[in-house]
Amino acid sequence: DTEVTQTPKHLVMGMTNKKSLKCEQHMGHRAMYWYKQKAKKPPELMFVYSYEKLSINESVPSRFSPECPNSSLLNLHLHALQPEDSALYLCASSQAGTGGGYTFGSGTRLTVV
Amino acid sequence: GESVGLHLPTLSVQEGDNSIINCAYSNSASDYFIWYKQESGKGPQFIIDIRSNMDKRQGQRVTVLLNKTVKHLSLQIAATQPGDSAVYFCAESGRDDKIIFGKGTRLHILP
Repeated sequence: DTEVTQTPKHLVMGMTNKKSLKCEQHMGHRAMYWYKQKAKKPPELMFVYSYEKLSINESVPSRFSPECPNSSLLNLHLHALQPEDSALYLCASSQAGTGGGYTFGSGTRLTVV
Repeated sequence: GESVGLHLPTLSVQEGDNSIINCAYSNSASDYFIWYKQESGKGPQFIIDIRSNMDKRQGQRVTVLLNKTVKHLSLQIAATQPGDSAVYFCAESGRDDKIIFGKGTRLHILP
């Protein structure tokens, strides 16, 4: 299995809702990432988990809460989002510490209404 | 701070010709560079990578060149095909498991 799987593919949520994005990989990668991508812009790093520990938080607002339950799973919990948070949320994984093997999922298209 | 940028937002190339997409980076500490292709509605797809101890690497129809002296990275696509239409991003990384993307170049293939 050489894929990163993200669910759901599309999500529409209200500003008072709580939802979660999920990401899964079975490549044995020990680094996992969340990126946010707005239209016609490059992906922007949000969080990095290395060996299931949060290693980088790029000053992301607390309404985004990441979680890494085990080495194969990565979640992003969403609460009280704003319309400007609407974007494509991408998960990626790689071999930790080697800078290699980055693989991205297809993303979750999030719309906040 | 760290940044990776691209020189041209859009590139139009005749089908069958070679495409060259350029990228400039600013972080001398970066030791790993990647090119990604992103089609509409999809996540970035790995094309080719290169480490800082190399200056050239070839794949199938693609070549990446790295010039550390001027901090320049390029992607060459041979015999460009309609399926090559996409946005191309360069990205850089060090040992902190953090990859930073450049602005992206949209490649248009002309019939």
